[in-house]
Amino acid sequence: QSMLTQPPSASGTPGQRITISCSGSRSNIGTNDVSWYQQVPGTAPRLLIITNSHRPSGVPDQFSGSKSGTSASLVISGLQPDDEAEYYCAVWDDSLNSVIFGGGTKVTVL
Amino acid sequence: QLQLQESGPGLVKSLETLSLTCTVSGASISSTGHYWGWIRQPPGKGLEWIGNIYYSGTTFYNPSLKSRVIMSVDTSRNQFSLKLSSVTAPDTAVYFCARLVGVAAILDWGQGTRVTVSS
Repeated sequence: QSMLTQPPSASGTPGQRITISCSGSRSNIGTNDVSWYQQVPGTAPRLLIITNSHRPSGVPDQFSGSKSGTSASLVISGLQPDDEAEYYCAVWDDSLNSVIFGGGTKVTVL
Repeated sequence: QLQLQESGPGLVKSLETLSLTCTVSGASISSTGHYWGWIRQPPGKGLEWIGNIYYSGTTFYNPSLKSRVIMSVDTSRNQFSLKLSSVTAPDTAVYFCARLVGVAAILDWGQGTRVTVSS
């Protein structure tokens, strides 16, 4: 069981805005920066958001991230069919001295 | 452009040692500020961090795997490696190598290599 809690699934229709949450604790999200990854089945994950809210070059601005206290969120605006994927949050945990991942959220475009 | 390529046996016998190498091209493994890491994904499951190594040899390992993991770096070949000993069926997974900024943000991923533990 992951120390970072994500909803197992989320869905929306094309053009909609969805939010994926990532809940942690003081020793991880409460202290360190969160990153977000997109994984299309059968492929390697791809970095979407680094240091809570920054998009690397090449990531469209439909993806945005934020952090407050011990939780973080990924927002996908203007949902598109090719946004169907698994999304993971990750962060360093000071108690475990370890990188931890959320359990993943499967996004479906209806 | 950075490329990461995993290599190693796709089949490992139970209780033996899994050995994988990641070859880095397009960047120096000795670049400051970057850790190099391994992450795995069992079939149908989520991502699990295995460990990170810096070019100097500094390592961080997942506490749940620490007793079985050794990571090493070969700067002359621009490669880093993973050894996981005493493997069992739960170690069957796709293994990804990666470049990180700091110890936790994974910038770049290899394509992954599937490793099956056979009895």
